[in-house]
Amino acid sequence: EAQVTQNPRYLITVTGKKLTVTCSQNMNHEYMSWYRQDPGLGLRQIYYSMNVEVTDKGDVPEGYKVSRKEKRNFPLILESPSPNQTSLYFCASKRQGWQYEQYFGPGTRLTVT
Amino acid sequence: RKEVEQDPGPFNVPEGATVAFNCTYSNSASQSFFWYRQDCRKEPKLLMSVYSSGNEDGRFTAQLNRASQYISLLIRDSKLSDSATYLCVVIGSGGSYIPTFGRGTSLIVHP
Repeated sequence: EAQVTQNPRYLITVTGKKLTVTCSQNMNHEYMSWYRQDPGLGLRQIYYSMNVEVTDKGDVPEGYKVSRKEKRNFPLILESPSPNQTSLYFCASKRQGWQYEQYFGPGTRLTVT
Repeated sequence: RKEVEQDPGPFNVPEGATVAFNCTYSNSASQSFFWYRQDCRKEPKLLMSVYSSGNEDGRFTAQLNRASQYISLLIRDSKLSDSATYLCVVIGSGGSYIPTFGRGTSLIVHP
């Protein structure tokens, strides 16, 4: 089944404790992206990747890191999480090309206390 | 001006009603357009693509107006299960295929 998976789905952590949210897709998509979603603010892009070893900042990259060492994986790293990073996070992927739609993972609900 | 704008709503309609949402985009070079549906705290899922000639999928009709730079979604005979947030997505301006999302329009269908 074609899908985007994220782990963990739920995470409660404390300020400053490094964490990684994994994202994997099995559709051989070139483009992958991370979003956060907060009430009233819609989806905001954190980072995106056009292909392996090619990443770029989105609209709200501060406090986050990413890497794209393999085509299928695009982990999101929070080196020192803070309470303002409490949010719902979505990973997504798509084929390169403007005519293709984007597929989303199920989301990760992160709480930083 | 935001690249993609939607009326956040909520649109509160009775079952059986017809409801329409619009989404405006700022870049006239945009290439492709989609409507996504998002249920509360779930991932967005593709509802339908929007073609230049307009397209229909059951009770849902999507239209594109390039001259006025907006897309629309019409839902006929609304069901309770249509209650969700509807996101407009625009792709392909300036040679990029990075999607740009609107903030979404909330629809509540009541009995």
